[in-house]
Amino acid sequence: DAGVIQSPRHEVTEMGQEVTLRCKPISGHDYLFWYRQTMMRGLELLIYFNNNVPIDDSGMPEDRFSAKMPNASFSTLKIQPSEPRDSAVYFCASSLYGTSGGAYEQYFGPGTRLTVT
Amino acid sequence: DQQVKQNSPSLSVQEGRISILNCDYTNSMFDYFLWYKKYPAEGPTFLISISSIKDKNEDGRFTVFLNKSAKHLSLHIVPSQPGDSAVYFCAASALGNQFYFGTGTSLTVIP
Repeated sequence: DAGVIQSPRHEVTEMGQEVTLRCKPISGHDYLFWYRQTMMRGLELLIYFNNNVPIDDSGMPEDRFSAKMPNASFSTLKIQPSEPRDSAVYFCASSLYGTSGGAYEQYFGPGTRLTVT
Repeated sequence: DQQVKQNSPSLSVQEGRISILNCDYTNSMFDYFLWYKKYPAEGPTFLISISSIKDKNEDGRFTVFLNKSAKHLSLHIVPSQPGDSAVYFCAASALGNQFYFGTGTSLTVIP
């Protein structure tokens, strides 16, 4: 399996522009998570889905952020409009709940480094 | 408010010696804990986990210790190798819900 795939790997955009980050989870995984990594707060959970349904979006910073999972193999995280403080690395992760030897283990993608100028 | 804290941003250890990375948590409902390892430009990868019913779990050179009364866990790496140089995150969850991650500790193993 190719693992969790994220695109783009790097994104540089100007303040006020819309940014869309993409994620393809591992096939068969039924949970998908979006995280943001910053120096101050480490890895923050933004939102997670179970079977394509958003379960908890309490970590989404504000209305400028939205996430969708139209099917089991694709999710997007959108920021509109983007601001310089959104600059961070965004990770997508997926998991298969309760697998033996790795219950609750999440598999992370390589991340998207977002820079908003 | 950070429910999982890693108070040491960085740690340097000589090759062959023991590395001890620490993690504290505040939520007594946490019942599952994990350590992740992260290399630059890569996503975190799972390293080792421990359930709250145990106080120790060992996997090769890596051992995780859990002290529930102190709400503290630690990761021991023995012996440390240069390839262990990475950022280590601890994470905790309650009843299988979302994971809370610490801010990470950057480990440097000096050859």
